[in-house]
Amino acid sequence: EADIYQTPRYLVIGTGKKITLECSQTMGHDKMYWYQQDPGMELHLIHYSYGVNSTEKGDLSSESTVSRIRTEHFPLTLESARPSHTSQYLCASRDRGQETQYFGPGTRLLVL
Amino acid sequence: KNQVEQSPQSLIILEGKNCTLQCNYTVSPFSNLRWYKQDTGRGPVSLTIMTFSENTKSNGRYTATLDADTKQSSLHITASQLSDSASYICVVSDRGSTLGRLYFGRGTQLTVWP
Repeated sequence: EADIYQTPRYLVIGTGKKITLECSQTMGHDKMYWYQQDPGMELHLIHYSYGVNSTEKGDLSSESTVSRIRTEHFPLTLESARPSHTSQYLCASRDRGQETQYFGPGTRLLVL
Repeated sequence: KNQVEQSPQSLIILEGKNCTLQCNYTVSPFSNLRWYKQDTGRGPVSLTIMTFSENTKSNGRYTATLDADTKQSSLHITASQLSDSASYICVVSDRGSTLGRLYFGRGTQLTVWP
């Protein structure tokens, strides 16, 4: 079992609210990722980080932002949530030199 | 365009039966191929990873095969159990970028009935 955690697991909020999805890993991995996954669809990379103070946008355009101030923490923020942001958000991490990404349990977001 | 296609989209089998899931990919240059299991409401968990030179790899009742020439992979599940009910995702990595870009299939939703 990978030591990567996401909170909250489920979130229902109204349009226009600011939200932050938390992701933490205790494995000391330098690479971290955020994916968005709709039901029955493939995962899409929206952000990644190679280490502290390094963040990049992924393949899927997203209105969210991320930060990487500490190695173990990679939060994702939506300044103004919209119903189109309803989805599952998965955080993952990978150690340098390793191939396998370890995924957190995900956050299911519903924006009303 | 790099793609990963999985079939069938969904599958229902009885407990104790075997099944095989398919994955075709067009990712190039190829680095490795992984199969992940994703339980409902959970993140994916790695089952197997295979590089270009590997044809088969087992993990308990799961056996993955890879044909790099035809760009096809399969995941065979033996003596299925109720706990095998999940989505099985094929993921292919390229070696054309420092990111080690991952390409995800949409998954095969497997349901095992008692």
